[in-house]
Amino acid sequence: DGGITQSPKYLFRKEGQNVTLSCEQNLNHDAMYWYRQDPGQGLRLIYYSQIVNDFQKGDIAEGYSVSREKKESFPLTVTSAQKNPTAFYLCASSIDLALGPGKNQPQHFGDGTRLSIL
Amino acid sequence: AQTVTQSQPEMSVQEAETVTLSCTYDTSESDYYLFWYKQPPSRQMILVIRQEAYKQQNATENRFSVNFQKAAKSFSLKISDSQLGDAAMYFCVKGTSGSRLTFGEGTQLTVNP
Repeated sequence: DGGITQSPKYLFRKEGQNVTLSCEQNLNHDAMYWYRQDPGQGLRLIYYSQIVNDFQKGDIAEGYSVSREKKESFPLTVTSAQKNPTAFYLCASSIDLALGPGKNQPQHFGDGTRLSIL
Repeated sequence: AQTVTQSQPEMSVQEAETVTLSCTYDTSESDYYLFWYKQPPSRQMILVIRQEAYKQQNATENRFSVNFQKAAKSFSLKISDSQLGDAAMYFCVKGTSGSRLTFGEGTQLTVNP
């Protein structure tokens, strides 16, 4: 079955520590995204990538970093600079949007990672 | 900032009845898409329905339909014959070129047996 796999499901971070959240997709999608969800709120975009070796900042990129070395993988690192990392993190992917205007395809989401501070 | 507003933090409906969730949005773009996603307690994000802004006809998916009023920038979701499995947080979402999604704050729907 094609889909998006996020790991781990739960993650704990100590003060001053960087942690990396994994996101893998086998849907052959070009574009991948990372969102943060705080309790009772919608999703906010952290970073996105439309092609391998390229990525763009979203609305709340400070304190986070990403890489896109392979089409199927888009790991997110929560750095020690992110002072309030406790949240639910969702990874998503979609067909490449660079197909002209009005080609916005729905995003497929992983099951999420819940990150907490120890 | 372009926003999506869901004015109903919580809604409830009796099983088998109909409920409408409201959504308004702000945009300066002429070409965009609108979605409704649901997020059950499992926290999965599931696409419910999608509307292209350039289409006048309202989208329908089985028991789910939308009322898209482009001039008013309104995009409501109607759920007919509500089922217990429809209970979830529902997000109104706007997508623009480059696949940037903007989420509303969500409406928590409770379905009463």
